Amino acid sequence: AAGVIQSPRHLIKEKRETATLKCYPIPRHDTVYWYQQGPGQDPQFLISFYEKMQSDKGSIPDRFSAQQFSDYHSELNMSSLELGDSALYFCASSWASGAGYTFGSGTRLTVV
Amino acid sequence: AQSVTQLGSHVSVSEGALVLLRCNYSSSVPPYLFWYVQYPNQGLQLLLKYTTGATLVKGINGFEAEFKKSETSFHLTKPSAHMSDAAEYFCAVTLTGTASKLTFGTGTRLQVTL
Repeated sequence: AAGVIQSPRHLIKEKRETATLKCYPIPRHDTVYWYQQGPGQDPQFLISFYEKMQSDKGSIPDRFSAQQFSDYHSELNMSSLELGDSALYFCASSWASGAGYTFGSGTRLTVV
Repeated sequence: AQSVTQLGSHVSVSEGALVLLRCNYSSSVPPYLFWYVQYPNQGLQLLLKYTTGATLVKGINGFEAEFKKSETSFHLTKPSAHMSDAAEYFCAVTLTGTASKLTFGTGTRLQVTL
């Protein structure tokens, strides 16, 4: 069965650089969620999109932006990277609340 | 707003012993509840979920959880621990409704000893 695909799996960037993370949801899932998980932390909600419109916003820095495209894939853009942005970034998709959220394997971002 | 509290950041059990990981939730409306497992350097895997209906939910790998509204709890259990169960476990809650985000607890690291 198709799963949530995230790319890249690993990314190393220097401070003040930009990064773009991509997420391809399960086909026919209409909602995408982004989470950030720091070392030893629980996943923190960043932002979500439903039918290509932003549906909710969490603790996402102003340096970050995201969007969902017509094919339902989503991209998280991160600018002016800081050391503290080093984390595992997860994308999840669903088609209805309660149906279960399927998570991708994550993108590990390391800022040096 | 919804939230979950996981009691015990670390739990250690012997192989073959009962596993009990505690989760209490707070929600103004009937919630949907989930347990996820995360192995080192891996993603989040759904163990089980409660939405409506039967309050005892069975999941993968022999885990189960019982939704107790009167206690606002959703504790995760497994009768007999296996070494392969060693991982981080997250309880999560969401509200009913379209595009409702998951809110995670702080996680419980399960250690299984011989």
